[in-house]
Amino acid sequence: DGGITQSPKYLFRKEGQNVTLSCEQNLNHDAMYWYRQDPGQGLRLIYYSQIVNDFQKGDIAEGYSVSREKKESFPLTVTSAQKNPTAFYLCASSHGQGNEQYFGPGTRLTVT
Amino acid sequence: SQKIEQNSEALNIQEGKTATLTCNYTNYSPAYLQWYRQDPGRGPVFLLLIRENEKEKRKERLKVTFDTTLKQSLFHITASQPADSATYLCALDIPNRDDKIIFGKGTRLHILP
Repeated sequence: DGGITQSPKYLFRKEGQNVTLSCEQNLNHDAMYWYRQDPGQGLRLIYYSQIVNDFQKGDIAEGYSVSREKKESFPLTVTSAQKNPTAFYLCASSHGQGNEQYFGPGTRLTVT
Repeated sequence: SQKIEQNSEALNIQEGKTATLTCNYTNYSPAYLQWYRQDPGRGPVFLLLIRENEKEKRKERLKVTFDTTLKQSLFHITASQPADSATYLCALDIPNRDDKIIFGKGTRLHILP
């Protein structure tokens, strides 16, 4: 089955710790994205990558980092510098501009 | 900067009726506009894409219109069913900004049995 997966579904961390969220796709998509969703808010773009070994900051990149070493994988690290890390994180992929995005099931991160 | 407004936070519609959701945008006209469905605790699922040169797009019980003069898209669900209850998001592209799209906050739709 083709699709996009995120793991884990729920993640709990103590304040001050870095945490990495996984995102894998087997859709052969070039473009991948990370969004954050807070209650009552729309999706806000954190980082995106149009091609392997290249990525750009989105609207709220501060306190986050990514890598794109493989076409299939786009992990997101939430660093201790992110002031409000508790949120629902969504990864997506697409064939690129003008095409729909396919979303993973999301990871709910809680930092206490 | 571009802004997207989706009408009301929640919309209650009687089963069997047509649900109509609105997406308004300011500033520039996008090359295309997309609609997604999101269920609680899950990722959005793509429904329809309509391009700037298309007035209307249909898929089964779904219909999307795109009026670049009014800067508005309407999303219709005909013969609505309780299973259609979800949050519906509209998204549009940002010209010359690579593959980025921006999302509205969404409209929660409740289909009442």
